[in-house]
Amino acid sequence: KQEVTQIPAALSVPEGENLVLNCSFTDSAIYNLQWFRQDPGKGLTSLLLIQSSQREQTSGRLNASLDKSSGRSTLYIAASQPGDSATYLCAVRRLTSYDKVIFGPGTSLSVIP
Amino acid sequence: NAGVTQTPKFQVLKTGQSMTLQCAQDMNHNSMYWYRQDPGMGLRLIYYSASEGTTDKGEVPNGYNVSRLNKREFSLRLESAAPSQTSVYFCASSEAAEYNYGYTFGSGTRLTVV
Repeated sequence: KQEVTQIPAALSVPEGENLVLNCSFTDSAIYNLQWFRQDPGKGLTSLLLIQSSQREQTSGRLNASLDKSSGRSTLYIAASQPGDSATYLCAVRRLTSYDKVIFGPGTSLSVIP
Repeated sequence: NAGVTQTPKFQVLKTGQSMTLQCAQDMNHNSMYWYRQDPGMGLRLIYYSASEGTTDKGEVPNGYNVSRLNKREFSLRLESAAPSQTSVYFCASSEAAEYNYGYTFGSGTRLTVV
């Protein structure tokens, strides 16, 4: 059974700091891994999608890496801003049941001005 | 730039009442999904539709029914609402189930059953 965990559950950093969010999954048989952002009371916004054959994806100040063999992904945020404050979720799409995506519980990020 | 549109945004129901949550996407996606999000439980799949004309149960389907009305629309029905169905419901779509595509989410429906 695929399980997805995220560490830490919550993180508070001063503005300008670089930070790393972690995502771990137990079954390496995945199609892809997607990082989302969720603001309080809002829906999920897709940040980055990494295919199983890729090692990393970049978008602006965000960089996501994928190590499928070890079951890990990281989301790196450079030069954090107060507007980055949100909950970040990772989700994996499994090979064995491709219609079903498993979400992690999320990391709640607060960037302090 | 509508993407995935959900209605209503908020709803309060009495126990035993029924209602239908609507979802529509304008991206010509084949696959659509309904999730619920609860504190401490994360996002859980209720039902999904891999393509028009097909629907399948997800992780927590009890108490719900779905209809894939056409390629654009996928509705979720609560026949007899229970307090345990108080949650935030999200609809999502994906270009295809069997390829390496990501998900696009709607903004959610916040449902309270009293």
